[in-house]
Amino acid sequence: TQLLEQSPQFLSIQEGENLTVYCNSSSVFSSLQWYRQEPGEGPVLLVTVVTGGEVKKLKRLTFQFGDARKDSSLHITAAQPGDTGLYLCAPPNQAGTALIFGKGTTLSVSS
Amino acid sequence: NAGVMQNPRHLVRRRGQEARLRCSPMKGHSHVYWYRQLPEEGLKFMVYLQKENIIDESGMPKERFSAEFPKEGPSILRIQQVVRGDSAAYFCASSPQDTQYFGPGTRLTVL
Repeated sequence: TQLLEQSPQFLSIQEGENLTVYCNSSSVFSSLQWYRQEPGEGPVLLVTVVTGGEVKKLKRLTFQFGDARKDSSLHITAAQPGDTGLYLCAPPNQAGTALIFGKGTTLSVSS
Repeated sequence: NAGVMQNPRHLVRRRGQEARLRCSPMKGHSHVYWYRQLPEEGLKFMVYLQKENIIDESGMPKERFSAEFPKEGPSILRIQQVVRGDSAAYFCASSPQDTQYFGPGTRLTVL
């Protein structure tokens, strides 16, 4: 089982601040997915990073895959209350296999 | 195309009762996965089903829990003789191949 460590576990910030959350492992991944789970809802796939060193942007969210493909980070610029939620990382599953998630980072953005 | 649907969204049961959780996959999706989310454990895989077949139930407790995905109708996760430790959010995800799309979850509370 590939163990994913996410940090920090909890993050509480004010609207407008920047933040970075991390997903680390001792294993090498072919790719990595990031999900956001809003309170009371299921996880929603945000992005898949595939290439070592890859950077993908989704509006104010910037995802980076480490050069060695063992870690990834998510940076949010000028956080908004709508960014509140649980951010999860997971290696993509092959067809017919389960997703194995990290425990996630719970982000709370207050106005 | 409607998303994955789960009902009920909230379910309250007394110890010893049965809980039946339903999941209707997205149209055209023949793969269904069930996950359980506990605050201290994160989102964990329980069982993977295709139409009329259980493919992988390695994450499901051996006793009291069962799952089915009949030819017609939703997938059902059944928990018999519930105990307080069964209180959790239960999510299903459906997939046409590999990418999984999550439902909003059923929050089970056992009194």
